[in-house]
Amino acid sequence: QQQVKQSPQSLIVQKGGISIINCAYENTAFDYFPWYQQFPGKGPALLIAIRPDVSEKKEGRFTISFNKSAKQFSLHIMDSQPGDSATYFCAARRDSGGSNYKLTFGKGTLLTVNP
Amino acid sequence: SAVISQKPSRDICQRGTSLTIQCQVDSQVTMMFWYRQQPGQSLTLIATANQGSEATYESGFVIDKFPISRPNLTFSTLTVSNMSPEDSSIYLCSVRRSSESYEQYFGPGTRLTVT
Repeated sequence: QQQVKQSPQSLIVQKGGISIINCAYENTAFDYFPWYQQFPGKGPALLIAIRPDVSEKKEGRFTISFNKSAKQFSLHIMDSQPGDSATYFCAARRDSGGSNYKLTFGKGTLLTVNP
Repeated sequence: SAVISQKPSRDICQRGTSLTIQCQVDSQVTMMFWYRQQPGQSLTLIATANQGSEATYESGFVIDKFPISRPNLTFSTLTVSNMSPEDSSIYLCSVRRSSESYEQYFGPGTRLTVT
């Protein structure tokens, strides 16, 4: 059972365009929603994250939009650059019991930004 | 953030052998985790490495196959035992400063190929 559904699986964007990656979840116990960026041969790097008490968080060209009622959140990359080409993973955190917090990951989106 | 190093960065091993992967963090952290990332796939939690006690394994992972040590707050090892080609994956160490901390960081990964 996939608890965090991510789409699209792959995305091609022109340089300067906006990249949008979406995630949806069912479990209302999730309390923290990070996005990770992974380049080939590297480990995932924490990019930006949001908690459900806010609807949007912006850091530079990266913005998370969060819709609590719809149980959806998305990553927007403004002015996309070839250097943004990577795999992006959304994740959601919940307490599995006794402050034992665990992350559940989406399946990832391979972003290609063409020059 | 935390600086995490893993050794080896990659290895090619023969079927039936075992490999021990080391994870070193530049500062003390409460929580350490081991993940597996199969080629082109998402991240799957193997276990939580507990200092001074046995690791907590996720469903589908067992101690005999993936023994874990955590001698202190900055170091852990994961052994992949009696390897088969199906164990070919990237193995990632991950940390959180405390059990309640939101931010979770990943090491660079160990790319394992079993022939």
